[in-house]
Amino acid sequence: NAGVTQTPKFQVLKTGQSMTLQCAQDMNHNSMYWYRQDPGMGLRLIYYSASEGTTDKGEVPNGYNVSRLNKREFSLRLESAAPSQTSVYFCASSFAVGSNQPQHFGDGTRLSIL
Amino acid sequence: QQQVKQSPQSLIVQKGGISIINCAYENTAFDYFPWYQQFPGKGPALLIAIRPDVSEKKEGRFTISFNKSAKQFSLHIMDSQPGDSATYFCAASIYGANNLFFGTGTRLTVIP
Repeated sequence: NAGVTQTPKFQVLKTGQSMTLQCAQDMNHNSMYWYRQDPGMGLRLIYYSASEGTTDKGEVPNGYNVSRLNKREFSLRLESAAPSQTSVYFCASSFAVGSNQPQHFGDGTRLSIL
Repeated sequence: QQQVKQSPQSLIVQKGGISIINCAYENTAFDYFPWYQQFPGKGPALLIAIRPDVSEKKEGRFTISFNKSAKQFSLHIMDSQPGDSATYFCAASIYGANNLFFGTGTRLTVIP
């Protein structure tokens, strides 16, 4: 039972490089999310997709783009990576959008930008 | 600006003791308060949640206490076990809204 799968698990980039983080869920959920987790900051929502074909900005969207490829997959792209984007990135999914819907998280992608 | 303030940052408790983690918020529109548990190398997982129509919610050894007038809520872990060692995040939002605001986390260590 895979749940939410994120790839890669670790990545090191140089400033200015681009990168796409992949996320896939097998729970037939409609909504998907991208968060970043930084020490002393908790988790902050970057973008979310309420349903296939829609995406919306969260709390910290600057510097990121997303694509809801199909119902299962939601990718996060860094076009020109900056050291401030060094973080642990989590993808999550839920049956429907809304904070009261339990969100199921992947195990994260640890991204370092030099 | 941190929407939800969480304390302590870290907590060490003896096995069998009570672990208490506190959170406070300012936005009076918040009406949904979940707690998430995160083990090292894993993503967070929903542990328990409360809405302000009740002052307490209990699930097994985990209890949320809610004080609407003080705008505070807390997680109590009774009979703490080494397997409870994890980072705990409180969160708050407007029920059904898209954005869930997380606290900064508490790293709990339960020593045998």
